Amino acid sequence: ETGVTQSPTHLIKTRGQQVTLRCSSQSGHNTVSWYQQALGQGPQFIFQYYREEENGRGNFPPRFSGLQFPNYSSELNVNALELDDSALYLCASSFGTMAGELFFGEGSRLTVL
Amino acid sequence: GQNIDQPTEMTATEGAIVQINCTYQTSGFNGLFWYQQHAGEAPTFLSYNVLDGLEEKGRFSSFLSRSKGYSYLLLKELQMKDSASYLCAVRAPSGGYQKVTFGIGTKLQVIP
Repeated sequence: ETGVTQSPTHLIKTRGQQVTLRCSSQSGHNTVSWYQQALGQGPQFIFQYYREEENGRGNFPPRFSGLQFPNYSSELNVNALELDDSALYLCASSFGTMAGELFFGEGSRLTVL
Repeated sequence: GQNIDQPTEMTATEGAIVQINCTYQTSGFNGLFWYQQHAGEAPTFLSYNVLDGLEEKGRFSSFLSRSKGYSYLLLKELQMKDSASYLCAVRAPSGGYQKVTFGIGTKLQVIP
């Protein structure tokens, strides 16, 4: 177990709705990255937060947004949900942006109907 | 951009040795990771290479050649529980930050 916790673990939404996913990073870690993993695919980078600032973003539209709080926990928000947003959303924490290991949470499995 | 290639599926026999290859094309390089992921679970860390050469950790070893853009993960004495997907990921600079890009994963099936 990595010490990274995500919530909720599973959720079902309908098209057009909004969702907020949460991640508590491992103690002492100041960097959080979010990934989307569709079935049978590798994790796709959404964005990264370092010390409360977004410092990198992948090829995802603006309806994917996030926050990092002073305790370094993080949220991923997705607006106007589409069917293709159905996936496992993974959060990974690390100490700094050059760490030799990313610690993953168990993920939040989102189903959009 | 960053491109990572690895085979999508492999099959190996319990007790045998298997090598999973990964090639990458990136603008810059700041480390390569291998992760194991069982179906429906989070990726778990196996290894991190930043310099050329072989890193050994128990039954698992990882090799890196930066000049060739090539890495492999070697699994020895295969066990049934090693059936999983193995993800290769590369860290490289991208637009002023460090981005970790994952390959599609190699699904390994260990058979008796």
